[in-house]
Amino acid sequence: QSVLTQPPSVSGAPGQRVTISCTGSSSNIGARFDVHWYQQLPGTAPKLLIYGNTNRPSGVPGRFSGSKSGTSASLAITGLRAEDEADYYCQSYDSSLSGWVFGGGTKVTVL
Amino acid sequence: QVQLQESGPGLVKPSQTLSLTCTVSGGSISSGSYYWSWIRQPAGKGLEWIGRIYTSGSTSYNPSLKSRVTISVDTSKNQFSLKLSSVTAADTAVYYCATFKEGYYSYFDYWGQGTLVTVSS
Repeated sequence: QSVLTQPPSVSGAPGQRVTISCTGSSSNIGARFDVHWYQQLPGTAPKLLIYGNTNRPSGVPGRFSGSKSGTSASLAITGLRAEDEADYYCQSYDSSLSGWVFGGGTKVTVL
Repeated sequence: QVQLQESGPGLVKPSQTLSLTCTVSGGSISSGSYYWSWIRQPAGKGLEWIGRIYTSGSTSYNPSLKSRVTISVDTSKNQFSLKLSSVTAADTAVYYCATFKEGYYSYFDYWGQGTLVTVSS
């Protein structure tokens, strides 16, 4: 079991909006540690998608947005496109474990 | 832009030591801009942080692996390395090296392509 909990899968039709939740606890997200998101396309390495809860690195489309509240965070993809089919991982720091932790990942399927 | 490339044996026998090297290009490992990290991913599963090292040699490890992990840096070769001892089948995974940018926001920003290590006799 991952320290950060994500739904195993979400799906949507092209153009729709999907959201991925990342639920933590008082020792990670709830302790005000930042949440970052990574996109892993099939057969490739993860790529930074969102950093510092809401910030997009240069080159990441505005369709991707992040938010954080309490012990949870969310990634939203608006205007879903076929190329968004990938696994998405949230990541934060856990003070109880004294280390960086990831969610179990969410597979996004474009119908 | 920093580029990372993992290298090492793809097959390791149980109880032996897994050894991987990450070669850094496009920047100096001594620049002090990053911590240098290892992350792994078993097939079909999520990501697990293994540990990190700074240019000074200062390290931090995942507590669940700490007793078996050593990360070192060779500034003359612009490389850093991972050693994981007493491996079992549970250590079979794709191993990634990555940069860890520590600052106001701290995250893994550049990743290598990954290398598959299988533990089997």
